[in-house]
Amino acid sequence: AQSVTQLGSHVSVSEGALVLLRCNYSSSVPPYLFWYVQYPNQGLQLLLKYTSAATLVKGINGFEAEFKKSETSFHLTKPSAHMSDAAEYFCAVTNYNQGGKLIFGQGTELSVKP
Amino acid sequence: DTAVSQTPKYLVTQMGNDKSIKCEQNLGHDTMYWYKQDSKKFLKIMFSYNNKELIINETVPNRFSPKSPDKAHLNLHINSLELGDSAVYFCASSQALAGGPRWTGELFFGEGSRLTVL
Repeated sequence: AQSVTQLGSHVSVSEGALVLLRCNYSSSVPPYLFWYVQYPNQGLQLLLKYTSAATLVKGINGFEAEFKKSETSFHLTKPSAHMSDAAEYFCAVTNYNQGGKLIFGQGTELSVKP
Repeated sequence: DTAVSQTPKYLVTQMGNDKSIKCEQNLGHDTMYWYKQDSKKFLKIMFSYNNKELIINETVPNRFSPKSPDKAHLNLHINSLELGDSAVYFCASSQALAGGPRWTGELFFGEGSRLTVL
């Protein structure tokens, strides 16, 4: 069975500081991995995805993530946080034999202090 | 144009009532989903349909009945509402069924329908 664990339900950084949101996955077959962002009272928006191509994936709004198979990790980073980055972030996993369903992590709330 | 749209956005109702949430996607996708987000923001899949055919039914109580009149629409009807049904329900779509040549894994989400059962 697949699963996703996000370490830290809440992360707080200062504006301009590095953002690091941690995600570890479990999958018996090669995974597809995603990071989604949810702003208050809105739906989920795709930040970036890994689908077995380059292991370093760049997404929107300056975010990137690196797939590390040996560590079963897919951590999300951004060099310099903006106030507008404050939101809930979800890591998710799927693969070809899951019927297309995404398995989500518990979410990490990112706060950005001025 | 909104890619995945849900109505209503907010729904407040009494226990025991029946309610429906509608979803439409204009992306030309084949597959649609319903996810439930609980008060702790945990997202869990409920159902998926591919071209009007039920693909996933994730052990949801049979008070919940999805209906897909065509591949662009997936509605959710809930009978005999309970307090525990209070949540945000998200509709989503994907281009194709998992494993097929057009499948990318990516889901496109609607803005959610917040259901409050009193």
